[in-house]
Amino acid sequence: KAGVTQTPRYLIKTRGQQVTLSCSPISGHRSVSWYQQTPGQGLQFLFEYFSETQRNKGNFPGRFSGRQFSNSRSEMNVSTLELGDSALYLCASSRIDSYEQYFGPGTRLTVT
Amino acid sequence: AQSVTQLGSHVSVSEGALVLLRCNYSSSVPPYLFWYVQYPNQGLQLLLKYTTGATLVKGINGFEAEFKKSETSFHLTKPSAHMSDAAEYFCAVSVTNSGYSTLTFGKGTMLLVSP
Repeated sequence: KAGVTQTPRYLIKTRGQQVTLSCSPISGHRSVSWYQQTPGQGLQFLFEYFSETQRNKGNFPGRFSGRQFSNSRSEMNVSTLELGDSALYLCASSRIDSYEQYFGPGTRLTVT
Repeated sequence: AQSVTQLGSHVSVSEGALVLLRCNYSSSVPPYLFWYVQYPNQGLQLLLKYTTGATLVKGINGFEAEFKKSETSFHLTKPSAHMSDAAEYFCAVSVTNSGYSTLTFGKGTMLLVSP
């Protein structure tokens, strides 16, 4: 079974631009969560989607948004990029009846 | 709210030595606990988990962890370190809210293994 895939793997953007990251969960997994990983703050929860609905959201500004499609694929968007948004963005998927989350390889975003 | 504390941002061991990575959690409800490993430029890989039942759980690559409720701890151990164990390890707690759960991670511990 294929794992969680994330595209693109690396991205370089300029301050003020916006970016969209994509995540395809493991087949059969309907819950998708997003995390931001930085050296200073560590791993922080962004949001979680299930059946195209955002069920939970972390403490991030409104510039960070996401959505989930009917096939469970998810995207997250960051508008008006700031230097501090440079991070590894990780997507994780899980089955509805499990607390285990399986992570993708991440998208490394660099904002210059 | 739940939280996780990992003691020691870096732990150094010699190959063949015991590995002990410490994790303490805070949770107002019975937690589910996890250990993940992250190799450079990769995502997180689940090593093991505790949900209910046996408090000593075994994971992949020879790792195991013991849930001690009285000490609110979930320390990760491996009897004999291998060079390939060098990576960053994260302890996480999951608490269910209204049928869904969110992972809260510790800051991570970098394991260094010397020959």
